[in-house]
Amino acid sequence: DTGVSQDPRHKITKRGQNVTFRCDPISEHNRLYWYRQTLGQGPEFLTYFQNEAQLEKSRLLSDRFSAERPKGSFSTLEIQRTEQGDSAMYLCASSPTGGEDEQYFGPGTRLTVT
Amino acid sequence: DQQVKQNSPSLSVQEGRISILNCDYTNSMFDYFLWYKKYPAEGPTFLISISSIKDKNEDGRFTVFLNKSAKHLSLHIVPSQPGDSAVYFCAGGGRFGAGTRLTVKP
Repeated sequence: DTGVSQDPRHKITKRGQNVTFRCDPISEHNRLYWYRQTLGQGPEFLTYFQNEAQLEKSRLLSDRFSAERPKGSFSTLEIQRTEQGDSAMYLCASSPTGGEDEQYFGPGTRLTVT
Repeated sequence: DQQVKQNSPSLSVQEGRISILNCDYTNSMFDYFLWYKKYPAEGPTFLISISSIKDKNEDGRFTVFLNKSAKHLSLHIVPSQPGDSAVYFCAGGGRFGAGTRLTVKP
């Protein structure tokens, strides 16, 4: 296993379209996190999963956003009716058990909404 | 909510000198802090961490200091190398600072 992977790496979409991103964590990592990062800022927490259970969602995660981790392995993040303000880097990270464990980040998916 | 702050967006040092990156936090409940390093087109990678029961943690050229009373931590890199040039993020309580871009000049 070579680390956390994300697909696609880049996505350009028109405003109003739906997009879906995929994250494959390091195998056997129980926790999976989604972050959003905009220029000049650090990663902002969106949500995390413990196995297949979504345990916390940030208020940044509006009702247009939904995340799933159906079998406790890979995860998807969907954004419906995209807006220009959704343009950002979307990062996925995983950790063995959570808590104070360091997180292993994927390379991110850069979304551009035109 | 800016609970973790890195007030210096950039830092430039000469190769071989010490780099000191600073981080402040506001929530006294945070008891574990991490530093991540990020190269362009890559996700952040874990560098070093510190628990609030310690005031110093060292790993090779990297040392993190924690001052709980001041709610301040710092990352020292000595000697700095050109390969250390990257953006460094401080994290605590699941929150990240805005990052400091370190440039180490040969």
